[in-house]
Amino acid sequence: QKEVEQNSGPLSVPEGAIASLNCTYSDRGSQSFFWYRQYSGKSPELIMSIYSNGDKEDGRFTAQLNKASQYVSLLIRDSQPSDSATYLCAVKGSGGSNYKLTFGKGTLLTVNP
Amino acid sequence: DGGITQSPKYLFRKEGQNVTLSCEQNLNHDAMYWYRQDPGQGLRLIYYSQIVNDFQKGDIAEGYSVSREKKESFPLTVTSAQKNPTAFYLCASSRGLAGSHNEQFFGPGTRLTVL
Repeated sequence: QKEVEQNSGPLSVPEGAIASLNCTYSDRGSQSFFWYRQYSGKSPELIMSIYSNGDKEDGRFTAQLNKASQYVSLLIRDSQPSDSATYLCAVKGSGGSNYKLTFGKGTLLTVNP
Repeated sequence: DGGITQSPKYLFRKEGQNVTLSCEQNLNHDAMYWYRQDPGQGLRLIYYSQIVNDFQKGDIAEGYSVSREKKESFPLTVTSAQKNPTAFYLCASSRGLAGSHNEQFFGPGTRLTVL
């Protein structure tokens, strides 16, 4: 069973700080990686996707991928209280599992005003 | 506006009843999925469909059934055989099934409670 691991948190940061969320995965053949944000009681919302090693920036969000280390991270710069949510890492399977996203359990982020 | 709709938002079921959750999308996506989410757990795949009239079991299909008669619609039936159906049910869709760039987008979810 392929796995995706995240620290459950809670991760607490002050407003304006950088929040760093981490994710490791076991499927060495995976090529597609996604970060979703889920507010309490709501459904997941896709905020970043990354497919190549390195950094990908979108506004205050930066996704980082290191396939050799099987590690993907999400940085949130200038964190705002509205960023308080659970962040889900999702990894697309390889080979016969390439139809499937495997999700981590999520990291709860709290941004304190 | 393009998107995914799910209904109802909340559903209460008595023991022994079958219930059907609706999922509709107007994104012209070929692939659709059903997940369930339990507190403290990751999303788990129930069923998925790549194309009309075709669907496959996911990791936890027992006690569930689906149909895909139209591209836009992928209803999920939670049968009385599902032992622990209380959960948050999420429908998702993507342009295709396989391939690297098929991002999945989620509907608002249905919260099912067994009384």
